[in-house]
Amino acid sequence: RKEVEQDPGPFNVPEGATVAFNCTYSNSASQSFFWYRQDCRKEPKLLMSVYSSGNEDGRFTAQLNRASQYISLLIRDSKLSDSATYLCAVNFAGNQFYFGTGTSLTVIP
Amino acid sequence: EAGVAQSPRYKIIEKRQSVAFWCNPISGHATLYWYQQILGQGPKLLIQFQNNGVVDDSQLPKDRFSAERLKGVDSTLKIQPAKLEDSAVYLCASSLDLRRTRANVLTFGAGSRLTVL
Repeated sequence: RKEVEQDPGPFNVPEGATVAFNCTYSNSASQSFFWYRQDCRKEPKLLMSVYSSGNEDGRFTAQLNRASQYISLLIRDSKLSDSATYLCAVNFAGNQFYFGTGTSLTVIP
Repeated sequence: EAGVAQSPRYKIIEKRQSVAFWCNPISGHATLYWYQQILGQGPKLLIQFQNNGVVDDSQLPKDRFSAERLKGVDSTLKIQPAKLEDSAVYLCASSLDLRRTRANVLTFGAGSRLTVL
């Protein structure tokens, strides 16, 4: 069983649409959670951390549900520049980071 | 702040040859990671160092892969002999050793893209 699972997509959405990604994790002792963005042929870069109370950064909202062991990312008013792969990451005890397979998003004009 | 440095950026070798990748983490970051990312997949943790000690190498194919971080700063990852399925991007990452906070974040280098022919 994989530590972190994501729907790989692809998600193809029109500009201005709202899109949501989910990610599930298997280890209930997981301590911290993140969404990373990865552009084609580039390294993953931190998009946002995910806190228990949920957090928002502009058009992006991240939520954590510890009881069901999943995290989500909501993107509102999608822009062409949002096209990328979105990776969820989970930090276990011992400072170990595990990643999902990534969800591919293409925003269409 | 300088980022995570990696070299070489690209390497093409034939199967059964050897290759080595180098990584210099962000200054002051105690934890260093090597990930393998095969096309279309997420990064897979190969090995994690805390200073110069190995924390987790459970997914490192030890018959052909080795890694070291002798002085607790930069690190090398070696593959010998390489197989076709080793074609991937090898990402180095580092983080602060803040085990008691949730502020710890992973920062990646640009990666080393390996093609095995």
